[in-house]
Amino acid sequence: GEDVEQSLFLSVREGDSSVINCTYTDSSSTYLYWYKQEPGAGLQLLTYIFSNMDMKQDQRLTVLLNKKDKHLSLRIADTQTGDSAIYFCAEASSGYSTLTFGKGTMLLVSP
Amino acid sequence: GAVVSQHPSRVICKSGTSVKIECRSLDFQATTMFWYRQFPKKSLMLMATSNEGSKATYEQGVEKDKFLINHASLTLSTLTVTSAHPEDSSFYICSATGTGQETQYFGPGTRLLVL
Repeated sequence: GEDVEQSLFLSVREGDSSVINCTYTDSSSTYLYWYKQEPGAGLQLLTYIFSNMDMKQDQRLTVLLNKKDKHLSLRIADTQTGDSAIYFCAEASSGYSTLTFGKGTMLLVSP
Repeated sequence: GAVVSQHPSRVICKSGTSVKIECRSLDFQATTMFWYRQFPKKSLMLMATSNEGSKATYEQGVEKDKFLINHASLTLSTLTVTSAHPEDSSFYICSATGTGQETQYFGPGTRLLVL
């Protein structure tokens, strides 16, 4: 089946930039998403990108997509302690079809 | 917009009892709702997909007689865990989407503990 891979853990200092990487295998992926999950909570949609885009920026968040290599990244500028959470990469072949999730990257931001 | 709620947020029950979890879309019509299960430090596992007014489609390995899903209206889906056992203890998350939505929107999750 289709697969989405992420590194499991990232630790950064407050104020630094964080880059979370994700690779996927489905060449028919149309939508790629980043979700944030805080402890004991559901998933919050952070941002998404269509497969015909290379980059999307939304305030402190920048998503880069390399469709050829099937590589997606999320950059968080000026990372804050409140950004500490688990970040999930997900892909779908249409906007509301079945999502395939990565296992999540735990981001720990230290003061 | 695109708010999804779940109730209850956490529930503790005795082994052998049934538990119902509600998922509501508050500000849009959810033509499709999804139920996920999340184990500690694991990704989300899709359990089933339900379209309003239709029977749910269960993923392989998910017992449909144990996890009853009803999606009777465009704003409400329920998951009933029947004859719950300790191994059913988990974090259950629903999501919803509808016409014109660009993704699934997730509820806050329900923590189930079966003693």
